[in-house]
Amino acid sequence: EDQVTQSPEALRLQEGESSSLNCSYTVSGLRGLFWYRQDPGKGPEFLFTLYSAGEEKEKERLKATLTKKESFLHITAPKPEDSATYLCAVQAGYNQGGKLIFGQGTELSVKP
Amino acid sequence: GAGVSQTPSNKVTEKGKYVELRCDPISGHTALYWYRQSLGQGPEFLIYFQGTGAADDSGLPNDRFFAVRPEGSVSTLKIQRTERGDSAMYLCASSLTEYNEQFFGPGTRLTVL
Repeated sequence: EDQVTQSPEALRLQEGESSSLNCSYTVSGLRGLFWYRQDPGKGPEFLFTLYSAGEEKEKERLKATLTKKESFLHITAPKPEDSATYLCAVQAGYNQGGKLIFGQGTELSVKP
Repeated sequence: GAGVSQTPSNKVTEKGKYVELRCDPISGHTALYWYRQSLGQGPEFLIYFQGTGAADDSGLPNDRFFAVRPEGSVSTLKIQRTERGDSAMYLCASSLTEYNEQFFGPGTRLTVL
């Protein structure tokens, strides 16, 4: 069964304190791995897509990496405005359509 | 350009009533998805459309749930005989094709009393 697990469930950081969020997955043929940011009461906002092991993508203070079993979202020198829930999702196989399978998310809080 | 829009933003209904939730995707996007999200959880897939047809409805929890996309653009999720357990955030997303990144709307918060 395709599955995505994110850790930790919640993370509290001080402003400027770098850290990483983990996304472990088991999937029958990875088509793509997606990271989203979600603010309370809003829809998820697209951040990155990763397609193959070894791939990395960056956007401002965020960098996403991918291995064959997991993905990391590295946050460098975070600011309070980075506080949000970060969701990881996988798209499985070429014959399974485009549906995303999400993890439960990591709730990030950055204090000034 | 305009993003995905969903109406209403909030819907409060009574147990047993019928509700319709609307999604207006990004113009030109052929794939449209519905997800449901409970508090503290990630979104769960319900159904997706490629054009006008439902390509995968395996996530619909039971036959009280139904969705349409008659002209390949706007979609409506319909829930009959609502139950308290249907209370959740209902999210719609669209993508250029089924394997591109999905862009989400703001969601409809459904509360069944």
